[in-house]
Amino acid sequence: GDSVTQMEGPVTLSEEAFLTINCTYTATGYPSLFWYVQYPGEGLQLLLKATKADDKGSNKGFEATYRKETTSFHLEKGSVQVSDSAVYFCALSDNQGGKLIFGQGTELSVKP
Amino acid sequence: NAGVTQTPKFRILKIGQSMTLQCTQDMNHNYMYWYRQDPGMGLKLIYYSVGAGITDKGEVPNGYNVSRSTTEDFPLRLELAAPSQTSVYFCASSYAGTGNYEQYFGPGTRLTVT
Repeated sequence: GDSVTQMEGPVTLSEEAFLTINCTYTATGYPSLFWYVQYPGEGLQLLLKATKADDKGSNKGFEATYRKETTSFHLEKGSVQVSDSAVYFCALSDNQGGKLIFGQGTELSVKP
Repeated sequence: NAGVTQTPKFRILKIGQSMTLQCTQDMNHNYMYWYRQDPGMGLKLIYYSVGAGITDKGEVPNGYNVSRSTTEDFPLRLELAAPSQTSVYFCASSYAGTGNYEQYFGPGTRLTVT
């Protein structure tokens, strides 16, 4: 079945460092891909999405490109801030019934 | 819009007790979902609904029941609570009419079964 694999955490960075969180997927069809963020004590919020190959999703300085050839959707940010500390989830939707399949999440901690 | 609301925020149950987790959305979304999140894990789908009167099992449905009598509400029922059901429960909704399956999440219910 479809699945999502994320880079293991926790990831600890200094403020203004470059961030990459790896995400790869397996899917039989043409899924949509998402990054969700979960701040401490809160529910998940959509960070960005891409619905077809070569699409780039971006939001709040974060970017991810849908790479069909490598089945990847890596999350990047050029300069992280303390306020970016959260858990990041990669997910795919098979576009049938709207069900999401999540990776295990990557905890990011940014130190001043 | 309030978005997706869940009650209660926290609950402690004794083994064998029952309870209902409430979920309401005011975005007129047709699809609704229940997930559980265990420590260090991603979210696992328990049940979902594609419209009022229609529900289906997700990946981990055992020990749970749902109903969807209105578009807005999607309660999750736990019968005979077990320690394995200790988790954080998230309700979500989406509008799938245009093929855009972006999901909106509630703040979660933290449940402990002892």
